[in-house]
Amino acid sequence: AQSVSQHNHHVILSEAASLELGCNYSYGGTVNLFWYVQYPGQHLQLLLKYFSGDPLVKGIKGFEAEFIKSKFSFNLRKPSVQWSDTAEYFCAVNARGGYNKLIFGAGTRLAVHP
Amino acid sequence: ETGVTQSPTHLIKTRGQQVTLRCSSQSGHNTVSWYQQALGQGPQFIFQYYREEENGRGNFPPRFSGLQFPNYSSELNVNALELDDSALYLCASSFDQAGANVLTFGAGSRLTVL
Repeated sequence: AQSVSQHNHHVILSEAASLELGCNYSYGGTVNLFWYVQYPGQHLQLLLKYFSGDPLVKGIKGFEAEFIKSKFSFNLRKPSVQWSDTAEYFCAVNARGGYNKLIFGAGTRLAVHP
Repeated sequence: ETGVTQSPTHLIKTRGQQVTLRCSSQSGHNTVSWYQQALGQGPQFIFQYYREEENGRGNFPPRFSGLQFPNYSSELNVNALELDDSALYLCASSFDQAGANVLTFGAGSRLTVL
């Protein structure tokens, strides 16, 4: 069965610290990969996506993620976090060529302290 | 462009009752998906509608049903409510049904079953 695992449920950082959120997926075929973010009181919104090509993808607000096919991973990174990055982050995957059924991880709640 | 709007935002039902949740898709989008997000978990795919037909379904029982209308808006109906149906129900729309299309999410309808 398809699944997505996010390693950290809660992360607490100080401003300017570096961030890496882990994401591993289990799926037997070719996938599209996504990171979504939910800021407090707001909708889920797309942070970045990977469909094909360069495995290092850049998203909004200075975030990036690297797809490592051999490790079934799609980790999210940011070199220097800000207080405004406080949010819940979800990794998601769907089958390339299939219909748009996203499988989400359980989410990582990030708190950034000034 | 208008985003995805959902109604109602909050509702309380008792076990055994039926509920209907509504969703207006983003302008230009023809595909609607529904997700259930229980507390502390990532969203789980319920089903997807494309051109008024259900074209994909997750692991949810038949008492979860839906409709899509000619204007691409959608309803989610849940019959014989159970306590475990308490969750945030998210509607998402996309330009097309394929997995390479980014989902735009609404704010959700929070259902409490007593």
